[in-house]
Amino acid sequence: AQKVTQAQTEISVVEKEDVTLDCVYETRDTTYYLFWYKQPPSGELVFLIRRNSFDEQNEISGRYSWNFQKSTSSFNFTITASQVVDSAVYFCALSEARRWGGSEKLVFGKGTKLTVNP
Amino acid sequence: NAGVTQTPKFQVLKTGQSMTLQCAQDMNHEYMSWYRQDPGMGLRLIHYSVGAGITDQGEVPNGYNVSRSTTEDFPLRLLSAAPSQTSVYFCASGQNYGYTFGSGTRLTVV
Repeated sequence: AQKVTQAQTEISVVEKEDVTLDCVYETRDTTYYLFWYKQPPSGELVFLIRRNSFDEQNEISGRYSWNFQKSTSSFNFTITASQVVDSAVYFCALSEARRWGGSEKLVFGKGTKLTVNP
Repeated sequence: NAGVTQTPKFQVLKTGQSMTLQCAQDMNHEYMSWYRQDPGMGLRLIHYSVGAGITDQGEVPNGYNVSRSTTEDFPLRLLSAAPSQTSVYFCASGQNYGYTFGSGTRLTVV
């Protein structure tokens, strides 16, 4: 069965600090997709990244970077030089590849609430 | 394109009442799903559908009913609301592992 664990329930940092949000996943499948979503105080879910299990390259997008390591089943998310606008709940999610008769179910972790203080 | 449209945005129900949360997408996605979000629990899958006429249960299906008569619509029915169903509900549609979420419905059962 699929499972996503975000062990950090809440993190509080001061603006300009770097912060890493951890995500560990479990799956029996060799083909799967990993995601990060941001949920700001307004409540909507904002897509940040999708990573295919065959692509272990790290990715950087501005102040955001992601470290995917299949050996440890982790997909961690780092925000460099955090800003107050980064304050949100961040969710890691996993979707196993669709098989015949299967589905693209998306399974979420419980989320990490990040507070960036000025 | 509107994407995924959920209605209503807010709803208060009395225990035992029934209601339907509406979800519509205009992207011709095969996959649609309903999640509930509770504090500290993340988003949990209630029901999902891989196409018109095909639905299946997720992690927390009890108390909820779904049907998928068209590609566009995936309503979620609460037959007899309970206070435990107080939550924020999100509908999502997807294709090829790209997902679009609705803006959510905040439901309170008193």
